[in-house]
Amino acid sequence: QKEVEQDPGPLSVPEGAIVSLNCTYSNSAFQYFMWYRQYSRKGPELLMYTYSSGNKEDGRFTAQVDKSSKYISLFIRDSQPSDSATYLCAMRGGGADGLTFGKGTHLIIQP
Amino acid sequence: EAEVAQSPRYKITEKSQAVAFWCDPISGHATLYWYRQILGQGPELLVQFQDESVVDDSQLPKDRFSAERLKGVDSTLKIQPAELGDSAMYLCASSLARPGLAGPYNEQFFGPGTRLTVL
Repeated sequence: QKEVEQDPGPLSVPEGAIVSLNCTYSNSAFQYFMWYRQYSRKGPELLMYTYSSGNKEDGRFTAQVDKSSKYISLFIRDSQPSDSATYLCAMRGGGADGLTFGKGTHLIIQP
Repeated sequence: EAEVAQSPRYKITEKSQAVAFWCDPISGHATLYWYRQILGQGPELLVQFQDESVVDDSQLPKDRFSAERLKGVDSTLKIQPAELGDSAMYLCASSLARPGLAGPYNEQFFGPGTRLTVL
């Protein structure tokens, strides 16, 4: 079992819909949780990060972390075709600085 | 806006050949990472540098991979000899992370990557 599990999709939704992306993890030492967006043939770019449990909102994006369930989520409201990309969850903790990524979910927003 | 630079962007080579990738981090970033991303997978850490020193190379296949950051600025990742299974995107990232630096989190900024195809 990999440390971070993420459904690769593809996930296809109509424009304007609310999108929910999720990851589960097994390493209880993880303390920092991030969501990256990656367009085709580009490097990942950071969307949001959360420390420990809780919610964080930034514009149309909301990140949630539930450490008791080892489950993190990213919600995208009013989804746009430009949101079509691969979304990677990433985590770190336990003294390690390198990130542990999920496989990424390929998201398609249909106009 | 400062960015992480990588070259080449694309590299095609035959198996058993040597290849090298170059990364120039954001100015002032002490920590540099090399990740490998196989198609359909998330990036996996290969090596981490703090200035010119290797902090973590536990996932680097040392029989064929080597990495250096001689002056603590830019870095080179080398593969010799390349194998078919090395085909992947090689990503470089940098951050301000430094032991004792205030703030628990230091964002990792990624470059555009080098896409390697081994034939």
